Amino acid sequence: DAGVIQSPRHEVTEMGQEVTLRCKPISGHDYLFWYRQTMMRGLELLIYFNNNVPIDDSGMPEDRFSAKMPNASFSTLKIQPSEPRDSAVYFCASSPSRSANYGYTFGSGTRLTVV
Amino acid sequence: GQQVMQIPQYQHVQEGEDFTTYCNSSTTLSNIQWYKQRPGGHPVFLIQLVKSGEVKKQKRLTFQFGEAKKNSSLHITATQTTDVGTYFCAGLRSNTGKLIFGQGTTLQVKP
Repeated sequence: DAGVIQSPRHEVTEMGQEVTLRCKPISGHDYLFWYRQTMMRGLELLIYFNNNVPIDDSGMPEDRFSAKMPNASFSTLKIQPSEPRDSAVYFCASSPSRSANYGYTFGSGTRLTVV
Repeated sequence: GQQVMQIPQYQHVQEGEDFTTYCNSSTTLSNIQWYKQRPGGHPVFLIQLVKSGEVKKQKRLTFQFGEAKKNSSLHITATQTTDVGTYFCAGLRSNTGKLIFGQGTTLQVKP
């Protein structure tokens, strides 16, 4: 298995532009998570899906952020419009269950820089 | 809201010395997981602890879960340069289904 695949690896965009981050979870994993990592706030859970359905989006910072999972093999996190304070590394992770002995498998992340 | 606190934030050790990081939760956890993140990398799952008082070992790494299921520790014996990275604990609350990460302990090992 190729693991959790995220794209792009790096994204540099201007303030006000729309940014779309993509994630392909491991096949057969029913749970998908979006995390954001910054020096100041560490790893923050933004939203998670179970069987393609959003379960908890209370971590999404504001209305500028939205996430979708149209099918079991694809999810997107969109920021519109982007702001410099959105600069961070965004990780997607998947798991076969909420509490698995094998934990969450993280993708390599997307490093977003908003200038 | 639930918080998972981790100390210390940074630790510098000489190769061969031991290292311990501690994790404390404000609420009881259903389980706790530990991850390692190398510089520039992504978190990689190490282990999960579920039972009160549980102790698990992976070679030089020893993981403990407190009796009250509110705290945990990771101890590395005789550190090596390959142990360099940030170690995160993450607690799962069963009623929310959320895995909440501690701030991490960054370990530097001097050869």
